[in-house]
Amino acid sequence: GESVGLHLPTLSVQEGDNSIINCAYSNSASDYFIWYKQESGKGPQFIIDIRSNMDKRQGQRVTVLLNKTVKHLSLQIAATQPGDSAVYFCAEKPSGTYKYIFGTGTRLKVLA
Amino acid sequence: EAGVAQSPRYKIIEKRQSVAFWCNPISGHATLYWYQQILGQGPKLLIQFQNNGVVDDSQLPKDRFSAERLKGVDSTLKIQPAKLEDSAVYLCASSLGSLGELFFGEGSRLTVL
Repeated sequence: GESVGLHLPTLSVQEGDNSIINCAYSNSASDYFIWYKQESGKGPQFIIDIRSNMDKRQGQRVTVLLNKTVKHLSLQIAATQPGDSAVYFCAEKPSGTYKYIFGTGTRLKVLA
Repeated sequence: EAGVAQSPRYKIIEKRQSVAFWCNPISGHATLYWYQQILGQGPKLLIQFQNNGVVDDSQLPKDRFSAERLKGVDSTLKIQPAKLEDSAVYLCASSLGSLGELFFGEGSRLTVL
């Protein structure tokens, strides 16, 4: 069935180091992907998106990589800060639909 | 610009009771979504509106859940009767179109006892 999963449920990173959060998606027909950040008690917040015709997209301190061959998505956060502590979700949109399917999330803990 | 507004933020009810959640999307956003987020899981789409029409409600438990978006602006999500497994945060999101960033509200946390 349709599903988006994550390899690691919790990731602990030292402040200042780079973080890499991974996501495996199952629908090879998905054409659009988004990373969201969710802090406790709040709704998900958009971080960055990427279309399936791209392999890489950069934002401020964040980079998303898409490997369609192995259906893998990753979010790289440079110089991780305490404010980056949150749960991160990837979401995919299957082609021909307007539905966004979210994964189960990875909790990022930034250690001082 | 005001964000997506939801109310109530918290609601505690007993099973078999009913509850309603309200959402006011960002002005001008044609697409509105209701997601259910169970603790420790990612959001699951319940229903998607394009203006006041339903685009996708395939995962909405229609025997107990209903949603409407009259006039293509505000939306309400109702649960009747509630079950224990309905305990979750109900997130409303909106977007300009059907592709692109979803703007989420802070959610309505439901506890069913």
